[in-house]
Amino acid sequence: AQSVTQLGSHVSVSEGALVLLRCNYSSSVPPYLFWYVQYPNQGLQLLLKYTSAATLVKGINGFEAEFKKSETSFHLTKPSAHMSDAAEYFCAVRLAAGNKLTFGGGTRVLVKP
Amino acid sequence: EPEVTQTPSHQVTQMGQEVILRCVPISNHLYFYWYRQILGQKVEFLVSFYNNEISEKSEIFDDQFSVERPDGSNFTLKIRSTKLEDSAMYFCASTDWGDTEAFFGQGTRLTVV
Repeated sequence: AQSVTQLGSHVSVSEGALVLLRCNYSSSVPPYLFWYVQYPNQGLQLLLKYTSAATLVKGINGFEAEFKKSETSFHLTKPSAHMSDAAEYFCAVRLAAGNKLTFGGGTRVLVKP
Repeated sequence: EPEVTQTPSHQVTQMGQEVILRCVPISNHLYFYWYRQILGQKVEFLVSFYNNEISEKSEIFDDQFSVERPDGSNFTLKIRSTKLEDSAMYFCASTDWGDTEAFFGQGTRLTVV
């Protein structure tokens, strides 16, 4: 079984400030981990994924995430927020290729000018 | 770039009516999924489909739901007798063999009145 917890349902950051979105998971086997972004009234777009290669993963739009097995975490960061980063972000875990994704509750990011 | 397409983008239906949501997964993919997202809530897994049969389903996916791959390209979700609580965004997704990431469609917003 697997589960995902995202700390903070809403995060507000100033433009140019660091974005940090927290994700912790539980999994019975080494997981595959993902971050998806959802812009208003749109579908889910993959930001980045961890698949047991490098623990620091770089994604699109300047985002990156670090897999820390000891902390069972996969936090998402971006050094400098842009107005276009305003969206909802979902962390997700999958146990194996082909298996279902289990999503966290999502974090809505608001970027202030 | 290949993409998952869903139709319709919006569907309004009367309670008790049957609805069919349609999806065209990426053509060489082998695993197909339906997820739903009730407004303001997280994305929830409904069902996965592989080799022309259901491989896994959640508790949400009760006898009112069914899936079908009627031909080589379409993947449908049928809700036999819709309830108010079926109102949600429904996402179709697909993956290839060995792929770890799921590709999502833009979703169908279902409103049951």
